[in-house]
Order: sequence, then structure tokens, then C-alpha cells
Amino acid sequence: AQKITQTQPGMFVQEKEAVTLDCTYDTSDQSYGLFWYKQPSSGEMIFLIYQGSYDEQNATEGRYSLNFQKARKSANLVISASQLGDSAMYFCAMRDRGSTLGRLYFGRGTQLTVWP
Amino acid sequence: DAGVIQSPRHEVTEMGQEVTLRCKPISGHDYLFWYRQTMMRGLELLIYFNNNVPIDDSGMPEDRFSAKMPNASFSTLKIQPSEPRDSAVYFCASSSRGGGEQYFGPGTRLTVT
Repeated sequence: AQKITQTQPGMFVQEKEAVTLDCTYDTSDQSYGLFWYKQPSSGEMIFLIYQGSYDEQNATEGRYSLNFQKARKSANLVISASQLGDSAMYFCAMRDRGSTLGRLYFGRGTQLTVWP
Repeated sequence: DAGVIQSPRHEVTEMGQEVTLRCKPISGHDYLFWYRQTMMRGLELLIYFNNNVPIDDSGMPEDRFSAKMPNASFSTLKIQPSEPRDSAVYFCASSSRGGGEQYFGPGTRLTVT
């Protein structure tokens, strides 16, 4: 079974608007962590934001926030005030204790396009 | 601070040749990961090390692939012999703690003809 599901292959948003990228996860562990990465067309993978399963507050990093809904097992990324430079592939990832400690499971990604 | 360094950035080789990819993790990071990214399979974890010791190599596709980490600042991923289906982008990443955020290198784009 897939640990991370990103159901949106592509998303489009107009500059300055907010956009939500969906991510659902599958784990039976109580302790786990969720991550979002950005991969622009240049190819590098950039760490954006982290949410721990015991964190009571949703994580925020500048224009990025993570909408964490534990009961629904979802960890959506919200980008506020989109910029043209936000156009990229976005990956959701998770670590849990069901695997050898240290590894992350990645989703297939969502391609975000920001238009002027 | 220097990030994760990978070399070469691009590699084009002929089928049957040996390919060696290199990685220098961020100083002080105890975990090192090798990933492969293709359109078909997405991002796959090949192997990872903790304190220079391989912890999980279940993602290594077959015996043609091998990885070493002789010291805390250097790792190699070797493919011998290479095949066209090995064509992909290979990333190295490092982390300061198990299960923590990983920082990726720029990747090596490998093309096997």
C-alpha cells in the first residue's frame, strides 16, 4: 500500500492567489513526521516544511503552511500569495516507525503552475 | 555553508561501462541517502547509511549496484555494468538525525546509451 498519496498531478493558480496541494498518508504509528519538498525545473529538491504528529499547531514557514488533519490523515500544503517562482513539482513525504528508522516515503508529486 | 555536493552533474556512458557517482554530505550529518528519480517510478530510495554503516539497502535494484561510505564526508554509488534502464537522476541527501529533514544535492543526471 502506498504510504503517501498525492491525487493532484497538476494544479494551476494565478499569481498572488493561495493554493492548496493535497497529501494523504497511511500509517498505523502514533509517532510520525510529514515533510514537503519543492523541485523546480532546475532539478534540485528543496526542503520546505515539517510537521510532527504530536505537534498541536500547524507548521508554518513564511508563505508555506501545513494544514494537518490527523483524523483524516491529511497534510496539505498551503502556499499563500503565490509567486511565479513557486512553479515547480511539490512532493509530500513521511517518516514513521514502521520502517527502518531514518527513511522517508515520498509521494508522486504535484506539478504547480503559477500564471500571471 | 556548503550543501550536499555531488559529482559529476551529468554523465553519459555506453551500456556495459562502469559508472561511479560521488557525494559529499553536509558536515556533521550522520545520515546519507541515495535516491533515484525517474518519470516512471518517481523518487526511489536505494540505500542509506548511518555513521558510515549501511542501514537499509533494500532499494538497491540488483547486484550491479553497490554503494560505499568509507568516511563521514564521502560516499560513492557504483553501477557495473551499466544498462540503458539505469538512466535517471541520482540524488544524494543527508540528514543530521534519523527521520529528520533531508537535504538534497543537485543530483547527477545519468544517461546510458
